[in-house]
Amino acid sequence: EVQLLESGGALEQPGGSLRLSCGASGFTFSRYAMSWVRQAPGKGLEWVSGISGSGGTTYYADSVKGRLTISRDNSKNTLYLQMSSLRAEDTAIYYCAKHRDGNRFDYWGQGTLVTVSS
Amino acid sequence: DIQMTQSPSSLSASVGDRVTITCRASQSISNYLNWYQQKPGKAPKLLIYAAATLQSGVPSRFSGSGSGTDFTLTISSLQPEDFATYYCQQSYSTPRLFTFGPGTKVDIK
Repeated sequence: EVQLLESGGALEQPGGSLRLSCGASGFTFSRYAMSWVRQAPGKGLEWVSGISGSGGTTYYADSVKGRLTISRDNSKNTLYLQMSSLRAEDTAIYYCAKHRDGNRFDYWGQGTLVTVSS
Repeated sequence: DIQMTQSPSSLSASVGDRVTITCRASQSISNYLNWYQQKPGKAPKLLIYAAATLQSGVPSRFSGSGSGTDFTLTISSLQPEDFATYYCQQSYSTPRLFTFGPGTKVDIK
């Protein structure tokens, strides 16, 4: 059974940093691209960042480019999102999602809440 | 960048109704269009991919159609468990920017 479990969400001050993690199980992690998708309170889904299975290719939404860094450790079956220079508008639930053919997101984690506030 | 729009933004319907949601892309995305269902407090769930292919385990009352810029999600006979928000997502663009539509909330009339 595929499972994705996010962690690392917290209350952080503007300008601060956080690292989110997503532990994966039930599939060969290194074979699949992964993404982070966020959802601000009461708002819709926003794709944030993606990474290839090998980790060699990364891509970012313009809204987070230069502040968020996606990475993965295939030996640990874990996806990361390093967040820096945090802003109030980064407040959201952050989901990790597994890609399938055509870049559909076939499995999602339960999400981790990041709150940016002083 | 490819922009996605959905209509309506919300709708009220009754159990048994046929419901249609429309998604439009700002440029052609072939059939690289996916639909997700999200219930309050839960993660999104993939319903349909490649515009018209039903994800395994999804009831056959859900169907998708379209190609190019215009797409539809249809629920043939709305069930109580279908009240949720539905999002379309394009997975076509290069570089990879997987834009979601703004969502359509389906609630009980």
